[in-house]
Amino acid sequence: NAGVTQTPKFQVLKTGQSMTLQCAQDMNHEYMSWYRQDPGMGLRLIHYSVGAGITDQGEVPNGYNVSRSTTEDFPLRLLSAAPSQTSVYFCASRGQGGGSNTGELFFGEGSRLTVL
Amino acid sequence: AQSVTQLGSHVSVSEGALVLLRCNYSSSVPPYLFWYVQYPNQGLQLLLKYTTGATLVKGINGFEAEFKKSETSFHLTKPSAHMSDAAEYFCAVRGSSASKIIFGSGTRLSIRP
Repeated sequence: NAGVTQTPKFQVLKTGQSMTLQCAQDMNHEYMSWYRQDPGMGLRLIHYSVGAGITDQGEVPNGYNVSRSTTEDFPLRLLSAAPSQTSVYFCASRGQGGGSNTGELFFGEGSRLTVL
Repeated sequence: AQSVTQLGSHVSVSEGALVLLRCNYSSSVPPYLFWYVQYPNQGLQLLLKYTTGATLVKGINGFEAEFKKSETSFHLTKPSAHMSDAAEYFCAVRGSSASKIIFGSGTRLSIRP
């Protein structure tokens, strides 16, 4: 069971370049999200999605776009990379609904992005 | 809206000593509360969670946390630290009627031999 898979694990970009961080999950989770992790800042929510075709902004959405065309995939796009976007990015998912499902996130291993 | 404050960006304890990592939250609705651990160069994994019911929750590796509504706190404790506990710990909150989960800034735990 793969869980949450992120690619690439490492990426170096020049300022102004664009790229997409891929995230896929095989747990049939409705909720998916992207966080960035910076020293001393913890994890900050960029965008999230509660299901296919539905996305919303988190705490730090500027400079990032997302879409959710399938339940499995939730790519994060940087249209014009800036040095301030140098960070480690984590994709995370969880199921919806009640019962024992109360919000535990399952994380990918992270993608380390450097913007020069 | 929800928010989380973790007091102390770095905590250092001796092996065998009590571990106490502090977390205070703000939530406009009844919260779900979580502690996650991150080992170097890895993703985050769940230590424990509070949803409803018993306010003292036990997690993996001997950790536990107590939900105190009056103090809006969810501090993480472990009676006796082990070298393998060295990691970064994150407290997180989700409103029970909300979708997104908000994390604190993290506390790095170091263990002295």
